[in-house]
Amino acid sequence: GAVVSQHPSRVICKSGTSVKIECRSLDFQATTMFWYRQFPKQSLMLMATSNEGSKATYEQGVEKDKFLINHASLTLSTLTVTSAHPEDSSFYICSASSRTNYGYTFGSGTRLTVV
Amino acid sequence: RKEVEQDPGPFNVPEGATVAFNCTYSNSASQSFFWYRQDCRKEPKLLMSVYSSGNEDGRFTAQLNRASQYISLLIRDSKLSDSATYLCVASASGGSYIPTFGRGTSLIVHP
Repeated sequence: GAVVSQHPSRVICKSGTSVKIECRSLDFQATTMFWYRQFPKQSLMLMATSNEGSKATYEQGVEKDKFLINHASLTLSTLTVTSAHPEDSSFYICSASSRTNYGYTFGSGTRLTVV
Repeated sequence: RKEVEQDPGPFNVPEGATVAFNCTYSNSASQSFFWYRQDCRKEPKLLMSVYSSGNEDGRFTAQLNRASQYISLLIRDSKLSDSATYLCVASASGGSYIPTFGRGTSLIVHP
C-alpha cells in the first residue's frame, strides 16, 4: 500500500533555531500534502495544504513566514519551523493524497521539543 | 471550515462487548468519509472507508446516513487491542478534497 516516510521522528532544538521536517511518498505521487499539528489529547489541527508546484494554502492563524512549506516534487514536501519557540513543541504529521489513491496516507509524525 | 463532531468518550467496555460510535458532520458537501485509528503518540491509520451502502470488515461495520449527516462505527466482540482513539473524517471537494477530522473517540477495552 501507499507509504509516506517522515523524518525526523523526534527532534529537540533550542529556542530560536529552525527545524526542517521531511515527508516523502515512497510508492505513489503525492499531488496534495497536508500538514497537521497535534497537541496532547487534542485533535489533528490542519496547518496548511500544499499542491505540488504551487504555494501552500495556510489555515487561519497559522503564520506562513514561520511555518515554511515546500512541495517542489510529487514525492517530497518539507515543513520548516523557523525561529522555533517552546510553544511550537508539538507532534507534526504530514498526510498525502493522490489522484489514484483513495483516502489519506500519514507519515509517522515528528515530535518536536523546543527547549 | 465546518466541523466534524464526535463524543470524546472515553468508552470503557469489557472484552467481547459491542460498542458503537457516532460522528456528525455539518458540511453537506462532504463526499468522502473515513474512520481512522490512532494509538497513543502514533500517527493515524486508516481503519476503513465509509460507503453510502454501508460496509463491513470483520468485526467492524461502518454506516453513512446522508440525510442526518452522520456516520457510525460498530465494533463487535471487542478485543483489548481495539483500545485506541477513533477519528472520524469527512472531506468535501475543494480542489484537494481537504479532510476535516473529528477530535476522536477514545475506546478502552478492559479484561
